[in-house]
Amino acid sequence: QITLKESGPTLVKPTQTLTLTCTFSGFSLSTSGVGVGWIRQPPGKALEWLALIYWDDDKRYSPSLKSRLIITKDTSKNQVVLTMTNMDPVDTATYYCAHAITAWSPPQFDYWGQGTLVTVSS
Amino acid sequence: SYELTQPPSVSVSPGQTARITCSGDALPKQYAYWYQQKPGQAPVLVIYKDSERPSGIPERFSGSSSGTTVTLTISGVQAEDEADYYCQSADSSGTHVVFGGGTKLTVL
Repeated sequence: QITLKESGPTLVKPTQTLTLTCTFSGFSLSTSGVGVGWIRQPPGKALEWLALIYWDDDKRYSPSLKSRLIITKDTSKNQVVLTMTNMDPVDTATYYCAHAITAWSPPQFDYWGQGTLVTVSS
Repeated sequence: SYELTQPPSVSVSPGQTARITCSGDALPKQYAYWYQQKPGQAPVLVIYKDSERPSGIPERFSGSSSGTTVTLTISGVQAEDEADYYCQSADSSGTHVVFGGGTKLTVL
């Protein structure tokens, strides 16, 4: 049974750096064809893909946010961490992490965490 | 940047067939996926690789592809199908994942 859960601050100030952790179970991020992605959703708006890390440590980022994002994994802890710098109120959103099947293109997100709402405000 | 285009809304009566389209130039080269999202919940994968249905998803959900457009079809729509639906694919190189803008399905 695959589960994922996001954790991190619920409130950050403008210009601060956001660090979110995805803790998962039921799979290993060292298994070929597996990845973990981050997707966000501003209130009342559409899903937006942010980043994806593959089992072999390959990383992909949204072109529009690439300069602000870093994604890393700790296979021993079953965790993936997303860092987003220079936060702005427009970054207020629910942030999801999701299990990705990367054996074909593009990756599909078949299991999602419950999401965590991050508000950016002074 | 690459975009996937969906209609903002689709409305159908119970028992009718709902069709939700998603258009993008790279769709002939890249698989498409469909997600259902109900208020306050995380998205759920309902179609993968254009037309495959994950286990546990009702048979009334189906997907198809033709050129630069993929379509999610829900046959015999039920009230519980009222939700937002998102398509997902990638740019032509497969490097960057993209989601469509979402379609709100209303069951009248």
